[in-house]
Amino acid sequence: SAVISQKPSRDICQRGTSLTIQCQVDSQVTMMFWYRQQPGQSLTLIATANQGSEATYESGFVIDKFPISRPNLTFSTLTVSNMSPEDSSIYLCSVEIGTSGANVLTFGAGSRLTVL
Amino acid sequence: GNSVTQMEGPVTLSEEAFLTINCTYTATGYPSLFWYVQYPGEGLQLLLKATKADDKGSNKGFEATYRKETTSFHLEKGSVQVSDSAVYFCALSDPGGGADGLTFGKGTHLIIQP
Repeated sequence: SAVISQKPSRDICQRGTSLTIQCQVDSQVTMMFWYRQQPGQSLTLIATANQGSEATYESGFVIDKFPISRPNLTFSTLTVSNMSPEDSSIYLCSVEIGTSGANVLTFGAGSRLTVL
Repeated sequence: GNSVTQMEGPVTLSEEAFLTINCTYTATGYPSLFWYVQYPGEGLQLLLKATKADDKGSNKGFEATYRKETTSFHLEKGSVQVSDSAVYFCALSDPGGGADGLTFGKGTHLIIQP
């Protein structure tokens, strides 16, 4: 199974600033996924990041707010831009593992952001 | 669209008690079903899965059976331990395929007291 490292693990940010979250995987993967876990809510997919192409964003998420980079097959970044308190969440990176067709995901430990 | 509903938490039990965390789903077609667990300070980990009706997923003493007739995938364990304290998420994959089709429930926080 893949090992995913995320950083920062947590941060406290000021309104209006931007923060970039890094995700490193110990093996090459085709797709990387970014999820948001708001307090008391389920995980929501933000976007899917493929190496060498633009990320695909889910409804309600836009590139200007959440720009994503995917420079190679083991690394991705998610930037939360112009933050507001509503962006306070845990942001999770994940990758698909296995070939059983059951869409099993492995997750990083998450980055807990608090926006003041 | 797809949705997953699981029981609200926190659920507090004594050690060695029987555990059930209910999960029901709405989906078109035949999704795969999952339980993920998130221990304090860690990422989500796959606990078990079932890919078709009547399949039983099991791991670490936990079990869940894919019940198509009741659209349910309840998580059970016969005797819980303090180390089982975590947040448990029920999830389904889009029957259309693609890992980006995962839909999660809100999570159930389980607290096991010694």
